[in-house]
Amino acid sequence: GEDVEQSLFLSVREGDSSVINCTYTDSSSTYLYWYKQEPGAGLQLLTYIFSNMDMKQDQRLTVLLNKKDKHLSLRIADTQTGDSAIYFCAVLGGATNKLIFGTGTLLAVQP
Amino acid sequence: DTEVTQTPKHLVMGMTNKKSLKCEQHMGHRAMYWYKQKAKKPPELMFVYSYEKLSINESVPSRFSPECPNSSLLNLHLHALQPEDSALYLCASSQGTGGNGNSPLHFGNGTRLTVT
Repeated sequence: GEDVEQSLFLSVREGDSSVINCTYTDSSSTYLYWYKQEPGAGLQLLTYIFSNMDMKQDQRLTVLLNKKDKHLSLRIADTQTGDSAIYFCAVLGGATNKLIFGTGTLLAVQP
Repeated sequence: DTEVTQTPKHLVMGMTNKKSLKCEQHMGHRAMYWYKQKAKKPPELMFVYSYEKLSINESVPSRFSPECPNSSLLNLHLHALQPEDSALYLCASSQGTGGNGNSPLHFGNGTRLTVT
């Protein structure tokens, strides 16, 4: 089945850019999403990209998709302490139509 | 603020208790979901309702019983749970289940369940 992996932890300084990476195995994946989860809260949809795109920008967020390498990244510009959270990528399988979540990356922003 | 509302926020129950988790959305979404999330792990799909009918049951034990009374409400009835069932239970909704990117999942803030 689909496997979606992320690095566990990322630490950045306030004002720097953060880049969170995600790799997946299903080459027929159609839509790829980024969710943010703050402590004690549910998952907040940040952005998503369709598999025929290679980049999407939304204010401070930039999503890059390398379909050949099955690699997705989320760049957060001018990272703030309020961006500290766990970030999950999620991939919609083309064949299964099931949403598979990555392992999650804890982003810690140092003041 | 999330547009998917879950109650209660916290629940502590004994292994012989019967309780229910509730979820409500007023976005006109036709698909609703239950997920279970353990600490520091991704959410795991439990059930999917599409147009008020159960469409996916991910081999969830029968001590968890979902119910969709109408298109805005989703319940999860709990009975004879085990301590390992302690987790954050998340409800989500989407406009459809057709794998459309314009139909992403919207999550509630969850119910933190502790089974003693």
